[in-house]
Amino acid sequence: EDQVTQSPEALRLQEGESSSLNCSYTVSGLRGLFWYRQDPGKGPEFLFTLYSAGEEKEKERLKATLTKKESFLHITAPKPEDSATYLCAVLADSSYKLIFGSGTRLLVRP
Amino acid sequence: NAGVTQTPKFQVLKTGQSMTLQCAQDMNHEYMSWYRQDPGMGLRLIHYSVGAGITDQGEVPNGYNVSRSTTEDFPLRLLSAAPSQTSVYFCASSWTGQFTEAFFGQGTRLTVV
Repeated sequence: EDQVTQSPEALRLQEGESSSLNCSYTVSGLRGLFWYRQDPGKGPEFLFTLYSAGEEKEKERLKATLTKKESFLHITAPKPEDSATYLCAVLADSSYKLIFGSGTRLLVRP
Repeated sequence: NAGVTQTPKFQVLKTGQSMTLQCAQDMNHEYMSWYRQDPGMGLRLIHYSVGAGITDQGEVPNGYNVSRSTTEDFPLRLLSAAPSQTSVYFCASSWTGQFTEAFFGQGTRLTVV
């Protein structure tokens, strides 16, 4: 059964304090791994798609990496506006079922 | 520039009532899906569709029906509402040819009393 586990559940950082969020996955064959950001009361907003181990994507202070078992979302010198819940999801080969993890709630204090 | 539009934004139902959550997209996406989001449980897939006339079950389909008569619309029907269906519901759409990203609506907050 396809499964996604995110850790930690919650993370508090000081502004400028870099850290990483983890997404571990179990899937028969990976078609794609996706990172989303969700602000309170809003729908998830797409950040990155990773397709194969070794792939990396960057956007502003965020960098996503992928191995065969997990993905990391690295946040460099975060700002308070980076506070949100970050969601990871996987899509298996020959499937259209996007499976989400439970998310990491990030709070960046000024 | 509408994207994915969900209506209503908020709804309160009594146990046993039925209702339809509406979802429409204007991006000509083949793939549409419905999720529910409960505290601490992330997003769980209810039903999805890869094109007009084609639907399939996700992780938690019981108590919900869907149909896809047009590319643009993908309504979710609650047949007989139960308190366990209190949740926030999200609709999403994307291309299927190269599954790059899903666009989400703003959500419908449903309370069943």
